[in-house]
Amino acid sequence: SQTIHQWPATLVQPVGSPLSLECTVEGTSNPNLYWYRQAAGRGLQLLFYSVGIGQISSEVPQNLSASRPQDRQFILSSKKLLLSDSGFYLCAWSRSYEQYFGPGTRLTVT
Amino acid sequence: AQSVAQPEDQVNVAEGNPLTVKCTYSVSGNPYLFWYVQYPNRGLQFLLKYITGDNLVKGSYGFEAEFNKSQTSFHLKKPSALVSDSALYFCAVLDSGTYKYIFGTGTRLKVLA
Repeated sequence: SQTIHQWPATLVQPVGSPLSLECTVEGTSNPNLYWYRQAAGRGLQLLFYSVGIGQISSEVPQNLSASRPQDRQFILSSKKLLLSDSGFYLCAWSRSYEQYFGPGTRLTVT
Repeated sequence: AQSVAQPEDQVNVAEGNPLTVKCTYSVSGNPYLFWYVQYPNRGLQFLLKYITGDNLVKGSYGFEAEFNKSQTSFHLKKPSALVSDSALYFCAVLDSGTYKYIFGTGTRLKVLA
C-alpha cells in the first residue's frame, strides 16, 4: 500500500530564517506531487505541483520554491520566511484520479 | 476554467438525522469530482469520487454523493449523522488537462448530540 510522509510535524521559525519541508511517498512510482497551504483551517491554496522529476509548476509568485530531486520526494523551501508564510502545509500525491494527503506541517513564523 | 462552490460555511445537524453538504461545479468536458474530510490538525482524507457511471456514489464511513449533471451538483449525503462526523468537508474537481485539483472553500459540519 502507498504511504506519504511529511516532516517535521510542527515548526516554529523566526522571520528571515530559511525553510525546508520534506515529503516522501512510498509504494508507488511516478506520482504527481503537490504542495498546498491552508490558512486558518479553511481553504486550500495550491502552491506547487509536479508531474515528474524536475518538472515543477508554480501557482503563486512568492518567496517559496519547490524541488523534486527524486521520483517520490518533494521539497518545499524558502530562503527567508515572512510572517505571512505561517500556516498548515500539506503535501499530496496522485496517480490516476485519486489524491492522497500527508499529515501536514504546522509552520509558525514569529 | 474548472471551479467548485460550497455555498454553506457551516451545516448543523442533530445526531441521527440525515445530512447533506452541498457542492456545485463548473467544468469544461467530463467532470471528475471528489469529496474529502479533514479533522483538526490532520491532512485531508479521501471519501469518494465520481468519474463515470452511476450517479449515486458510495464512499467511506457511510457517506454517499449524488452526481446531478443537469444541476451541476455533487452533494454529499449520509442517512444518519454521527457526532464523530463533525469535521471540515471539501469538494474538489480535477482538471484532467493539468492534473490540478480545484478545491471548494470547505463546509464545517457540526453534528449535535
